[in-house]
Amino acid sequence: QVQLQESGPGLVKPSQTLSLTCTVSGGSVSGGDYYWNWIRQPAGKGLEWIGRIYASGNTNYNPSLNGRATISADASKNHFSLRLSSVTAADTAVYFCASSDVGTTEIDSWGQGTLVTVSS
Amino acid sequence: SYVLTQPPSVSVAPGQTARITCGGNNLGRKSVHWYQQKPGQAPVLVVYEDSDRPSGIPERFSGSNSLNTATLTISRVEAGDEADYYCQVWDSASDVVFGGGTKLTVL
Repeated sequence: QVQLQESGPGLVKPSQTLSLTCTVSGGSVSGGDYYWNWIRQPAGKGLEWIGRIYASGNTNYNPSLNGRATISADASKNHFSLRLSSVTAADTAVYFCASSDVGTTEIDSWGQGTLVTVSS
Repeated sequence: SYVLTQPPSVSVAPGQTARITCGGNNLGRKSVHWYQQKPGQAPVLVVYEDSDRPSGIPERFSGSNSLNTATLTISRVEAGDEADYYCQVWDSASDVVFGGGTKLTVL
């Protein structure tokens, strides 16, 4: 079973770039067996898919983010990362990293989530 | 973009059956997945591909999907089932889509 752990600053200033990392165990970010996803949840609201990266480096993003999200992976550290630029208060949320098996569409492993607050 | 619609809340007495719906255009043609999320915790997959259960999920959780509505059914509801439930699909135009979530209250 894949295990995931998010890390990164809990406070980001408006207009700056949010950066988070997800450390993976029990699976390889370069192995080709999984999609590696980022999902967020504002307080009291629902889940929003941000995007995914696949072993080859292919990425897909939620169009609603208007190109502000970038997901990358580092095979040497077995982690993948999210950068979200030009943040506003609306980006304040709990951010989850999660994995799904290649060839399936359900998300079957989740990190515990990390709260990121956008405030000056 | 593809939209999934869930009722904001469902209430049920212990021991009874809870049914949580998820509506979408031609939803019956897609694979629907369901997640349970308790306060302060990450979501947990409870049903995938309309009606399959991951290992460790009680048989009390079941799912169905037809036409424009998918349903998560929880039989013999327990206090520990109180949580938010989200449906999710993959859509060729919208990619990963979640419903707005349903808060299940056990009376």
